[in-house]
Amino acid sequence: GAVVSQHPSWVICKSGTSVKIECRSLDFQATTMFWYRQFPKQSLMLMATSNEGSKATYEQGVEKDKFLINHASLTLSTLTVTSAHPEDSSFYICSARDSGANTGELFFGEGSRLTVL
Amino acid sequence: GENVEQHPSTLSVQEGDSAVIKCTYSDSASNYFPWYKQELGKGPQLIIDIRSNVGEKKDQRIAVTLNKTAKHFSLHITETQPEDSAVYFCAASRGGNAGKSTFGDGTTLTVKP
Repeated sequence: GAVVSQHPSWVICKSGTSVKIECRSLDFQATTMFWYRQFPKQSLMLMATSNEGSKATYEQGVEKDKFLINHASLTLSTLTVTSAHPEDSSFYICSARDSGANTGELFFGEGSRLTVL
Repeated sequence: GENVEQHPSTLSVQEGDSAVIKCTYSDSASNYFPWYKQELGKGPQLIIDIRSNVGEKKDQRIAVTLNKTAKHFSLHITETQPEDSAVYFCAASRGGNAGKSTFGDGTTLTVKP
């Protein structure tokens, strides 16, 4: 099956620093990827839709200057949490769709646990 | 927009029993309904999905049923095992890669040995 790799799986950083999370589709091309945030015991909250070669589409209430998304190639999207603060600590997950299949099926990464001290 | 409601939020069963999780959706144009299993500290994994042109789909111990008229779909797990313990999410979306998926709030399933 299709594989999405997310890195790092966990990261601890100091308040005020920036953290980059990568999402790669390993065996398919993805013009569209999605970034979610998940709080404990809650559902996935869609943050933004990452579009290859163009600007990301952010959901209402998500600060685009805080959560920078870059989708420079058909297999890689990055989420950068800028000037991170403790309230940004969370589980971040990406997903991708196979551009060649058009089935709507989502393939998820393993998630990245961010802890801001 | 689409609204997906999922019940129950928690479910505890004895090993070997069946488990049923139900979801309702609001957008009659939604036509793709996947179910995901999420283990602690990991990303969701697709376990089964159904499209609006069929009413039921089965894969070994897992089955999904869809009632388009009533706009609800259900996940059925038979002969549950402790390793089935996880959080299960349903989702709904419109066709193809253009549709945005809307997720239910999740069901924490615990299978007691």
